[in-house]
Amino acid sequence: DTGVSQNPRHKITKRGQNVTFRCDPISEHNRLYWYRQTLGQGPEFLTYFQNEAQLEKSRLLSDRFSAERPKGSFSTLEIQRTEQGDSAMYLCASSSHGQSTDTQYFGPGTRLTVL
Amino acid sequence: AQSVAQPEDQVNVAEGNPLTVKCTYSVSGNPYLFWYVQYPNRGLQFLLKYITGDNLVKGSYGFEAEFNKSQTSFHLKKPSALVSDSALYFCAVRDDYSGAGSYQLTFGKGTKLSVIP
Repeated sequence: DTGVSQNPRHKITKRGQNVTFRCDPISEHNRLYWYRQTLGQGPEFLTYFQNEAQLEKSRLLSDRFSAERPKGSFSTLEIQRTEQGDSAMYLCASSSHGQSTDTQYFGPGTRLTVL
Repeated sequence: AQSVAQPEDQVNVAEGNPLTVKCTYSVSGNPYLFWYVQYPNRGLQFLLKYITGDNLVKGSYGFEAEFNKSQTSFHLKKPSALVSDSALYFCAVRDDYSGAGSYQLTFGKGTKLSVIP
C-alpha cells in the first residue's frame, strides 16, 4: 500500500495526558497537511509542511498542539494536556509540489477520544 | 476568505436514478474545487477536481461535477446511483492566490447520500 498511513488508528486517553500521532505520507510527496474533523463537520485545516518547513498554522492550533516533520518525510502531531474538546478524528494528507493545483490525498485518520 | 456551503445534510435517491449533491463556494480569486467521499470510520477519498478548462469534470466511479462560475456552484452528479455510493460527500475549495495559507482546503459540512435499493 503506497497511500498515506497514520498511526495509531484509535487512541483513548484521559484528560490531561499527552498524545502523539504519526503520519507517513506518500513517498514522493513533499507537502504534508493536518486536519481535524469533529462529528457532523467537514475537516478543518490545522497546519501544513513543505518538506521540513512548517509554512502555515491555523488559529485552531493552540499552543498545546505541536507538529513536526524533522526530515521532510513522516510527521508527528502532539497534543499536550488533552481536553475533552480535543476528541476528534485527526486526518493527515499529502500532496506533490509540482503545480499549485496539487491534489491532497488523505490517510485513514486517527480517532482520539479524551475521557 | 474562502468558504463552502453544502445546503443538504442528506440526499436520498433510488438505485438507478440520477443523483446530485449540491455545493456552492466563495473565494477571493479563482477557485480550485474538489469532491471527496468518506466511508464510515475511514479517511477521505479523492473523487475529482476542477482547476480550469472544461466546466464538466469527470472523476472516479462514474461521478462528474459541473462548475458554474456565475452561480458559484460545483454540483456533484452521477447518471445512475448504486447502493455502494451511499457515503458522506464533501466539497472543498482552495483559492488560487499563492500567498501564505493558499494550500489549505476549506470543506463543507458534508452531505450524506443514501441510495435506496
